[in-house]
Amino acid sequence: QVQLKESGPVLVQASETLSLTCTVSGFSLTNYGVIWVRQPPGKGLEWMGIIWRNGNTDYNSALKSRLSINRDTSKSQVFLKMNSLQTDDTAIYYCTTMNYWGQGVMVTVSS
Amino acid sequence: DVVLTQTPSTLSATIGQSVSISCRSSQSLLDSAGNTYLYWYLQRPGQSPQLLIYLVSNLGSGVPNRFSGSGSGTDFTLKISGVEAEDLGVYYCMQATHAPYTFGAGTKLELK
Repeated sequence: QVQLKESGPVLVQASETLSLTCTVSGFSLTNYGVIWVRQPPGKGLEWMGIIWRNGNTDYNSALKSRLSINRDTSKSQVFLKMNSLQTDDTAIYYCTTMNYWGQGVMVTVSS
Repeated sequence: DVVLTQTPSTLSATIGQSVSISCRSSQSLLDSAGNTYLYWYLQRPGQSPQLLIYLVSNLGSGVPNRFSGSGSGTDFTLKISGVEAEDLGVYYCMQATHAPYTFGAGTKLELK
């Protein structure tokens, strides 16, 4: 069945770079796009960006200068990198196909 | 970017009551191929969001038929016909017609 699982550090220092991995199973990344969504504590969902099935990407306008999304189709993994982290980047980070969602990973940015 | 405005922000209901949530878009979500990429999600406390409705009115897999979606262009509605306790949480609309995709701010459904 379709599964997505996020992994990465739970604590990152301000000004550093966040690196997260989304490992998928049950489908091929060449057939479906994968989206990253984040949710600050107690707040709503924020769409961050997508890597399409052809490998192209689109990003949230507000994050575009700091964000990159890549993938390794042979490993069924999608990667998120975001630099210049600030404390307001503290959030649960999800990867999703829109139908299926990972459990999310809580990332805290410490000053 | 497309702005989705959800109303109300909070909804209090009793079990069995029917309720509706509105989602209005700052621009039409109808694309050139005639598709409208408007989705509804429910996020229960402590859980990941769950897909309820896709393409305005199509029920997600395993979603009870007390949920229904309607609308076109810029105005969309999610209706729950007979709220059950398991329906409590925050509802979000999301558009995927125009990149970057965007979410509404959410509507919290709570028990009266």
